[in-house]
Amino acid sequence: GAVVSQHPSRVICKSGTSVKIECRSLDFQATTMFWYRQFPKQSLMLMATSNEGSKATYEQGVEKDKFLINHASLTLSTLTVTSAHPEDSSFYICSASRTGGSNTEAFFGQGTRLTVV
Amino acid sequence: AQTVTQSQPEMSVQEAETVTLSCTYDTSESDYYLFWYKQPPSRQMILVIRQEAYKQQNATENRFSVNFQKAAKSFSLKISDSQLGDAAMYFCAYRSALNTNAGKSTFGDGTTLTVKP
Repeated sequence: GAVVSQHPSRVICKSGTSVKIECRSLDFQATTMFWYRQFPKQSLMLMATSNEGSKATYEQGVEKDKFLINHASLTLSTLTVTSAHPEDSSFYICSASRTGGSNTEAFFGQGTRLTVV
Repeated sequence: AQTVTQSQPEMSVQEAETVTLSCTYDTSESDYYLFWYKQPPSRQMILVIRQEAYKQQNATENRFSVNFQKAAKSFSLKISDSQLGDAAMYFCAYRSALNTNAGKSTFGDGTTLTVKP
């Protein structure tokens, strides 16, 4: 199956700093990637859709200036949490679908646990 | 917008027995895909089984099978011969077949499954 690698798997940062999370499709091209946020024992909530070469589409209520998304190539999308605060602490997961492939499956990264202290 | 509802926050099953997890969804689309994902403590999302809405036959994958009732918008997961390794959080997910929404998933709130030895 296709592999999506997310890095780092765990990060601790100080309040007010920024942190970047990478999502890479290792063996396929992904025109579109998705960023989700998950609180403990809760569901995955879609934050934004990352489109290669264009601006990301954010879900309602997600601050685009706080959660910067860049999808510079067909294999890499990055999520930058700017001026992080403790309430941004969460588990972030990306997923990707193959470009030109069927819509039947999305492949998930292993997630990033962000702790803001 | 589509919604996915999992009405059982927690379920438990005795090892080697059978358990059914419930999922209902709401959509106005006629073509879509449904999925069950397993999320163990590592929090990696693992695809358990998928169902194409245009297929009447229920999907099966070894010990996992679904009961897909399109008219009732119901998509339950049956786990037979439960094993200790099946213990995890299970998410039901909906994905549109429209290319404009390729890969975007809507998740239920999840069901935490405990397997008792």
